[in-house]
Amino acid sequence: GEDVEQSLFLSVREGDSSVINCTYTDSSSTYLYWYKQEPGAGLQLLTYIFSNMDMKQDQRLTVLLNKKDKHLSLRIADTQTGDSAIYFCAETGDSSYKLIFGSGTRLLVRP
Amino acid sequence: DVKVTQSSRYLVKRTGEKVFLECVQDMDHENMFWYRQDPGLGLRLIYFSYDVKMKEKGDIPEGYSVSREKKERFSLILESASTNQTSMYLCASTRAGDSYEQYFGPGTRLTVT
Repeated sequence: GEDVEQSLFLSVREGDSSVINCTYTDSSSTYLYWYKQEPGAGLQLLTYIFSNMDMKQDQRLTVLLNKKDKHLSLRIADTQTGDSAIYFCAETGDSSYKLIFGSGTRLLVRP
Repeated sequence: DVKVTQSSRYLVKRTGEKVFLECVQDMDHENMFWYRQDPGLGLRLIYFSYDVKMKEKGDIPEGYSVSREKKERFSLILESASTNQTSMYLCASTRAGDSYEQYFGPGTRLTVT
């Protein structure tokens, strides 16, 4: 079945780079997404990548997609305390409207 | 500014009570979703609706029902609340055909005692 896996926790120092990893099982996914959830809030789309791309860069964010290994990563350069949040990886699977979410990675940025 | 609102941020109910969670979006979106979020389990889809009066079960529909009488409003109903339904409930919406951005509400933290 469809499954998305992430590690649960990551701690980095302010100014360092953060790399959050995700593996997925459904190779038919058209899009893969990263959502951010700040404390007490709903999820907000951070970035996404189309499945025929290997990389996407958006300011401090870099998304890398390895389709062969079904591995997706999110790199945050110069991580700030305001980046502390839970980050969810999600895929479309074989559906055009339904998303399958990972368990979320809690990023803690230490001053 | 797009908006998805949920009727309550925090709710405490007793076992056996009927519970209504309401979600409203102002973006004229066709698709609306209800998820529950539990630590270590991520978001799990309970139900979604792709049009007024249309609904489909998600991955964990047991113990829940939904209602969509108007396009902007999607209600989640717990017919008889149980303690294992204590959770964070998130509503989301998206346009038909859009597979890339779901807009989320702030969530309702429900505690069933």
